[in-house]
Amino acid sequence: EAGVVQSPRYKIIEKKQPVAFWCNPISGHNTLYWYRQNLGQGPELLIRYENEEAVDDSQLPKDRFSAERLKGVDSTLKIQPAELGDSAVYLCASSRLAGDPTSTDTQYFGPGTRLTVL
Amino acid sequence: SQQGEEDPQALSIQEGENATMNCSYKTSINNLQWYRQNSGRGLVHLILIRSNEREKHSGRLRVTLDTSKKSSSLLITASRAADTASYFCALRTSYDKVIFGPGTSLSVIP
Repeated sequence: EAGVVQSPRYKIIEKKQPVAFWCNPISGHNTLYWYRQNLGQGPELLIRYENEEAVDDSQLPKDRFSAERLKGVDSTLKIQPAELGDSAVYLCASSRLAGDPTSTDTQYFGPGTRLTVL
Repeated sequence: SQQGEEDPQALSIQEGENATMNCSYKTSINNLQWYRQNSGRGLVHLILIRSNEREKHSGRLRVTLDTSKKSSSLLITASRAADTASYFCALRTSYDKVIFGPGTSLSVIP
């Protein structure tokens, strides 16, 4: 079974530039998460999708961040414009839909995209 | 804060010793999970314990949950150098939020 795929793995941009991250979850996983992880800290949830619906985006800075999951499969997270403080690792994870009898609520993480804003 | 908070922040032990790390939280939960993250890599799920469970085992891992004290502990027995990583607790709260703690950095010295 293929894992969660993220691209790119690394991105260096100048501040005020736009940037986009892509995530393809594990096949059959309805729930998709985007996290931001700063150095030495735990992941912070940005947005959670169940199928194509964003069910929790309370921590997403909506003035500059946007996300979409149009067909309920892969997803894109965008920052426009990027600021110096956005430098972090952006993690994508997926799990089976909560309430699914086969669900263990286990999240499977991709390798992350390390963003550096100069 | 509703966040899970691990302690200690950092732990250094000799290979073969046991490692214990703790997670405390302030909200009601449906389950609590532990994840491991090796340097520069994504997180890997270790074990999940539901709110109505008190203890679970998986290989060299033992997790306990005390909902009255709002705390959990992760015990790694007979540690190995390969166990060197950061360990995070993650809460699934009763109101369906997902919250990770700041992590414990474990170093196992060969």
